[in-house]
Amino acid sequence: AQSVTQLDSHVSVSEGTPVLLRCNYSSSYSPSLFWYVQHPNKGLQLLLKYTSAATLVKGINGFEAEFKKSETSFHLTKPSAHMSDAAEYFCVVSDGDKIIFGKGTRLHILP
Amino acid sequence: EADIYQTPRYLVIGTGKKITLECSQTMGHDKMYWYQQDPGMELHLIHYSYGVNSTEKGDLSSESTVSRIRTEHFPLTLESARPSHTSQYLCASSVGISRITDTQYFGPGTRLTVL
Repeated sequence: AQSVTQLDSHVSVSEGTPVLLRCNYSSSYSPSLFWYVQHPNKGLQLLLKYTSAATLVKGINGFEAEFKKSETSFHLTKPSAHMSDAAEYFCVVSDGDKIIFGKGTRLHILP
Repeated sequence: EADIYQTPRYLVIGTGKKITLECSQTMGHDKMYWYQQDPGMELHLIHYSYGVNSTEKGDLSSESTVSRIRTEHFPLTLESARPSHTSQYLCASSVGISRITDTQYFGPGTRLTVL
């Protein structure tokens, strides 16, 4: 059965420092993996997705994620946080016939 | 910015009322979705559609119903609202080979409160 776990419900980093949002998944098939971002009062927006091509995926706004099958992880990183990155981030796994969202990680950026 | 719209954005209504949440997209996407999201929780798929006259129930059981008479329009209806229906409802659309690999485009959501 599919599942997705976002290991931190809240992450706080200082502006200009690296960001790491962690996501682990389980899947019976070859999954597709996504990261979406949700800013306050806005809809979710795709940051990046993995669909069995290159394992290092680059997304918008300087974010990237690496698919690690051996660790069943798809962590989201950014080298240098910006104030505008403050938002809720959702990791999503899909395979077979289901799309499963994580519970989200709220990213706080400290000035 | 995705061209997908939801109205109303906020709705407070009494128990027993019939409500319809509107969702429209101008991108010509064939697939559309409704999700339910409670605070601090994951999104749960409650309905989806592959195209006109196609509707399917999602992974989370819901007392709501949907229709897809036009490509751009995917309204969700609750015949008799109850406090347990209080939640945020998100509409999305996509186009591609499969809903499993498609990028989804989300509306801003409708926050429903049933008193």
